[in-house]
Amino acid sequence: DSGVTQTPKHLITATGQRVTLRCSPRSGDLSVYWYQQSLDQGLQFLIQYYNGEERAKGNILERFSAQQFPDLHSELNLSSLELGDSALYFCASSVLASGRAGDTQYFGPGTRLTVL
Amino acid sequence: AQSVTQLGSHVSVSEGALVLLRCNYSSSVPPYLFWYVQYPNQGLQLLLKYTSAATLVKGINGFEAEFKKSETSFHLTKPSAHMSDAAEYFCAVSAEAGTALIFGKGTTLSVSS
Repeated sequence: DSGVTQTPKHLITATGQRVTLRCSPRSGDLSVYWYQQSLDQGLQFLIQYYNGEERAKGNILERFSAQQFPDLHSELNLSSLELGDSALYFCASSVLASGRAGDTQYFGPGTRLTVL
Repeated sequence: AQSVTQLGSHVSVSEGALVLLRCNYSSSVPPYLFWYVQYPNQGLQLLLKYTSAATLVKGINGFEAEFKKSETSFHLTKPSAHMSDAAEYFCAVSAEAGTALIFGKGTTLSVSS
């Protein structure tokens, strides 16, 4: 158990819909990352938040957005869903203290999204 | 730009045999390198990481990896495979502490008895 929790575990929805994935980081971790894992694209970084502010963006579609709340949990919002959005979405957290080398990212169990 | 190449999408070994999973990286700055393992229907678990303290890194479950700058490699090894090692393994690179990970495409390890 990494200490990172994600809900829900599974999500089945239809094209055009909007869903919200939730992540609670490990106690004390200030940084949250979202990754997408699909068969064709592999594991891709989507977006990172640090202490409530967006820190880095990866290959995140404009239809997707995220935020990190004052209690440090994060939500990933996916809208106008397409079949190709079906994937496993992971959240990871790390401390991200300045000057520390190689902060480890701890991954949650993931949310499996199926778009029908 | 950083990138990771994992050679071999599938590796099969016999129980007790040496495990060698290959990873080559590309980075314009000294990298941080990681190996993660993913068991079926689970998240990613850190096996080990290289952060420039030592070139030979020991991780969990008997795995180790050696950083070779001249070869831009970070191959993962285990002297003797166990059935429980069957999983998917990902090599990842990060150019700075705490930044996003760039993952390789993964290598599925199968272990036969």
